[in-house]
Amino acid sequence: DGGITQSPKYLFRKEGQNVTLSCEQNLNHDAMYWYRQDPGQGLRLIYYSQIVNDFQKGDIAEGYSVSREKKESFPLTVTSAQKNPTAFYLCASSYKAYGYTFGSGTRLTVV
Amino acid sequence: GQQVMQIPQYQHVQEGEDFTTYCNSSTTLSNIQWYKQRPGGHPVFLIQLVKSGEVKKQKRLTFQFGEAKKNSSLHITATQTTDVGTYFCAGRNAGNMLTFGGGTRLMVKP
Repeated sequence: DGGITQSPKYLFRKEGQNVTLSCEQNLNHDAMYWYRQDPGQGLRLIYYSQIVNDFQKGDIAEGYSVSREKKESFPLTVTSAQKNPTAFYLCASSYKAYGYTFGSGTRLTVV
Repeated sequence: GQQVMQIPQYQHVQEGEDFTTYCNSSTTLSNIQWYKQRPGGHPVFLIQLVKSGEVKKQKRLTFQFGEAKKNSSLHITATQTTDVGTYFCAGRNAGNMLTFGGGTRLMVKP
């Protein structure tokens, strides 16, 4: 079945540590996105990529980095510069202007 | 930049009552999408509206897109406990970027 796989489901980060969240899709979608969701809140766009080897900052890119070396993969690194990283991170992909397909998310907690 | 506002933020209803959430954009939209996120889950795409004044139905759910293509609504008839979750609208502008509203969290009392 086609879909988006995010891993891990839960991630714990120590202060000052960088962590990378994985996002893989087999839908052959060109565009991929990373969103952050805080408890009881909406979705805030971190980064997006409309084509391989190209990506753009979203509304809250500070403290995050991404790469898009393959069409299927769009990993997100949460760097130590992100001061409040505890949140639910959602990856999505889309084909042209159609609806987004979301992964099941990664819950990141700072310990 | 484009803003998409959604009201209400929360809604408690008794099972069997109707529910409506409203979405308003600061700019004219090329299309609007609706998503549902169950508690603890991820958003799932429900529908896309493209035409001015468009109305679409999915069983007990009715979606409308305003004549000016700046507002939209989702109406659920006779809510059930399975309707519990957060409903998000997302508007696409001429620049092809999708902006999500803040969501309406629906709680249904059995």
